[in-house]
Amino acid sequence: QVQLVQSGAEVKKPGASVKVSCKASGYTFTSYDINWVRQATGQGLEWMGRLNPNSGHTDFAQKFQGRVTITRTTSISTTYMELSSLRSDDTAVYYCARVGGTSSWYALDIWGQGTMVTVSS
Amino acid sequence: DIQMTQSPSSLSASVGDRVTITCRASESIGNYLNWYQQKPGKAPKLLIYAASSLQSGVPSRFSGSGSETDFTLTITSLQPEDFATYYCQQSYSTLYSFGQGTKLEIK
Repeated sequence: QVQLVQSGAEVKKPGASVKVSCKASGYTFTSYDINWVRQATGQGLEWMGRLNPNSGHTDFAQKFQGRVTITRTTSISTTYMELSSLRSDDTAVYYCARVGGTSSWYALDIWGQGTMVTVSS
Repeated sequence: DIQMTQSPSSLSASVGDRVTITCRASESIGNYLNWYQQKPGKAPKLLIYAASSLQSGVPSRFSGSGSETDFTLTITSLQPEDFATYYCQQSYSTLYSFGQGTKLEIK
């Protein structure tokens, strides 16, 4: 079945970087954009950025420009989100989500299970 | 960037009630408005796309309406499993954005 499976929980110190992976299966990886969304505990959903797995083109929310990198390895259908210069307020669950394409008006139709990133000294 | 504003931020209702959640965009987004349901500890789930199209497998008691800047999500005859947090999201711009969420609680 179509699914996105993310890497496991991470604990990082302030100032470090974290890299979260998202492996796609059940569909053609290069045909659908992948977005990254985060959610701090008890807070709402915050859109971070997106990747076109075919071209490698990325777009980012202004808040994360210069601090987030999204890449992919097409041979293993995996997308990576790396966030640098971590602060305590980056502690959150990070989700990858697939953009469903024109038939679903670019809604996020498939979501990963989430990866908890904790930033603590 | 397009700002999305939901109201109310929280809502108490009873099983069997009809509820409506609103979402307003800071500029026109046509019909590029989607609704998600999220339960505690779980990833969001797509309910409605293109303002009013029901995602496959979603019960027909969920419906959406609106266009341009003003949208609504309506749930008729609330069921126990519907108590969750709901988010709107625009996919008009390549830079997506979400509303702040509406927590639907049991009265």
